[in-house]
Amino acid sequence: KAGVTQTPRYLIKTRGQQVTLSCSPISGHRSVSWYQQTPGQGLQFLFEYFSETQRNKGNFPGRFSGRQFSNSRSEMNVSTLELGDSALYLCASSRSAAVYEQYFGPGTRLTVT
Amino acid sequence: AQTVTQSQPEMSVQEAETVTLSCTYDTSESDYYLFWYKQPPSRQMILVIRQEAYKQQNATENRFSVNFQKAAKSFSLKISDSQLGDAAMYFCAYRSNTGTASKLTFGTGTRLQVTL
Repeated sequence: KAGVTQTPRYLIKTRGQQVTLSCSPISGHRSVSWYQQTPGQGLQFLFEYFSETQRNKGNFPGRFSGRQFSNSRSEMNVSTLELGDSALYLCASSRSAAVYEQYFGPGTRLTVT
Repeated sequence: AQTVTQSQPEMSVQEAETVTLSCTYDTSESDYYLFWYKQPPSRQMILVIRQEAYKQQNATENRFSVNFQKAAKSFSLKISDSQLGDAAMYFCAYRSNTGTASKLTFGTGTRLQVTL
C-alpha cells in the first residue's frame, strides 16, 4: 500500500506570494493533519481534516488555511508569505479521527526569500 | 494545555549497545496516547512505538521498548542492540483521547548518534 505523498517536495517562493501544498493520504485513510517544523519552534500542529471538515486548528494566523476533498486528499494554503514561514510542512494521515496512529509523508520544504 | 519535554538534545551510543531516551509530559487528562517517532536525515517521520495510557504493560517493538510511568508522567524509550540505522532525531509525542482533540504535541527531540 502506498504511503502518504506530498507535492511538491521542495518549493521556493518570495515574500508576499501565496503557496498551495498538497497531501494524498494512505488509501482508506480519511483523516489528514498538517504540521509545521522549524528549527526554532519545532513541530507545531496546524490543522486536521476529517470527511472534508476541519476538526481542529492550531495557533496559526488566518494566512494559513486548508481544505479536504471528497477523496480525502488535502491542500494547505499560505497567503502573503513571510520569511518566518520557511519550514518543513508535514502531512499525516490516519484511518479515522478516532484512530490514534498517524502516518507521515516526506514533507514539503518551503523556502521564502 | 499539554506539554512534552525531552531534556536530552543529543545522545550517543556505540553500535550493539543500549541507550535510553527520556521524555516527560504534563497533562491533567487520564486518557491519552504516547508515541515515539523517528526522523532520519530523509526527514520522513516514522512511528517507532506507541503506548496507551490505560495499559500498565510497557509497549515493546522488537529492539525498542518503553518505560511508561504514568504517575511520574515519564515515558522513556530504550533501544537495545543499537544499529547504525538507528541514528536519527527521536521525538516523543502526546495525543489526547478526549473529545475531538486528535493533534499530536511533540517534544523538542533528541538527536541520537550511533558510533562504531
